[in-house]
Amino acid sequence: AQSVTQLDSQVPVFEEAPVELRCNYSSSVSVYLFWYVQYPNQGLQLLLKYLSGSTLVKGINGFEAEFNKSQTSFHLRKPSVHISDTAEYFCAVRKETSGSRLTFGEGTQLTVNP
Amino acid sequence: GAVVSQHPSWVICKSGTSVKIECRSLDFQATTMFWYRQFPKQSLMLMATSNEGSKATYEQGVEKDKFLINHASLTLSTLTVTSAHPEDSSFYICSAKRRAGGFTGELFFGEGSRLTVL
Repeated sequence: AQSVTQLDSQVPVFEEAPVELRCNYSSSVSVYLFWYVQYPNQGLQLLLKYLSGSTLVKGINGFEAEFNKSQTSFHLRKPSVHISDTAEYFCAVRKETSGSRLTFGEGTQLTVNP
Repeated sequence: GAVVSQHPSWVICKSGTSVKIECRSLDFQATTMFWYRQFPKQSLMLMATSNEGSKATYEQGVEKDKFLINHASLTLSTLTVTSAHPEDSSFYICSAKRRAGGFTGELFFGEGSRLTVL
């Protein structure tokens, strides 16, 4: 079985501060990893993904994430956040053998305060 | 980029009625579409996988007679909530996998449909 754990349900930060949203996964097979962002009453937008290759992945809106196989983590980071980054962030995992089925973490609400 | 559109965005219905939600891939063909359900402040739970021209595959615990899924074409999948009850109130989100290009690792999500059953 695979699972995804987002360690923080809520992360409040001030504007222009750095932020890290944590994600850990467990799986007995190779996985692909994703971060999605969801604004209120909207669907999900892909921020970035790790399929293979370099473990540091850069995405849209200045976000990046690092795949750490030994720690089974895929934490999302941004060096300086904006008010507009306030949203729900979901980490997701897809097993190499599971086709396109995604398993989502519980989500982390990022709130950027002025 | 690839666009997936859901309709309606919001729907309010009376208990006992049926509601149909559409998921369309606007600029690509989707062999596979997924339907998710999201309760407030919670994550997305996969309900079923819909493949064009075949029966949907439901996740454990999802009533197939309650949530009817039809994937009649490569650009359209529908979810019908039959005999809706207040506990069916939720945010329903679809996602689509592009037909061409093999496994790209990315699914494209619709904007979601909020169902409120009175």
